[in-house]
Amino acid sequence: AQKVTQAQTEISVVEKEDVTLDCVYETRDTTYYLFWYKQPPSGELVFLIRRNSFDEQNEISGRYSWNFQKSTSSFNFTITASQVVDSAVYFCALSLRAGGTSYGKLTFGQGTILTVHP
Amino acid sequence: DGGITQSPKYLFRKEGQNVTLSCEQNLNHDAMYWYRQDPGQGLRLIYYSQIVNDFQKGDIAEGYSVSREKKESFPLTVTSAQKNPTAFYLCASSISFGMSYNEQFFGPGTRLTVL
Repeated sequence: AQKVTQAQTEISVVEKEDVTLDCVYETRDTTYYLFWYKQPPSGELVFLIRRNSFDEQNEISGRYSWNFQKSTSSFNFTITASQVVDSAVYFCALSLRAGGTSYGKLTFGQGTILTVHP
Repeated sequence: DGGITQSPKYLFRKEGQNVTLSCEQNLNHDAMYWYRQDPGQGLRLIYYSQIVNDFQKGDIAEGYSVSREKKESFPLTVTSAQKNPTAFYLCASSISFGMSYNEQFFGPGTRLTVL
């Protein structure tokens, strides 16, 4: 069975600090997709990024960057120069490409609560 | 604007009552999902529907029921058999269930409290 672990339950930083959210996953499949979602206080999950298991290139989007390493089964998310508006719960999720009873479903980590203080 | 709407935002239920949570999408998506969120546990899948008139149990379906009579609607009923229904419920949709790379789009959620 697949599993996603976000070991950091809560992180608190001061504005302009860099912060990294960790995500470790487990799966026996060789083809899968990894996602990050943001859940602001309003409650709605917002899609941030998708990465497939064959693409280990790091990605940067503005202040956000993602580091995918298959060797350590990790897909970490870094926010550079954090801002108060980054305060939210962040979820990492895994989707298997084909086969098995988990096909097409998202398996979520427990989430990391990020608080950015002014 | 295209998106997913859920109503009501807050819902209070007495023990022993069934309640129905509404979920509507105008994204023309085939697949729809219901998740339950509890503090510290992430999101857990209750039911999902790949297409109209079809639905399957997720990981925690006991005490819940759904219907999918229209493509845009996927209501969730929390029955009296659900022993601990107080939670935040999120509805989601995606273009197609069979394409695992498709991200899911989420509604704003309904917070259910049992009194």
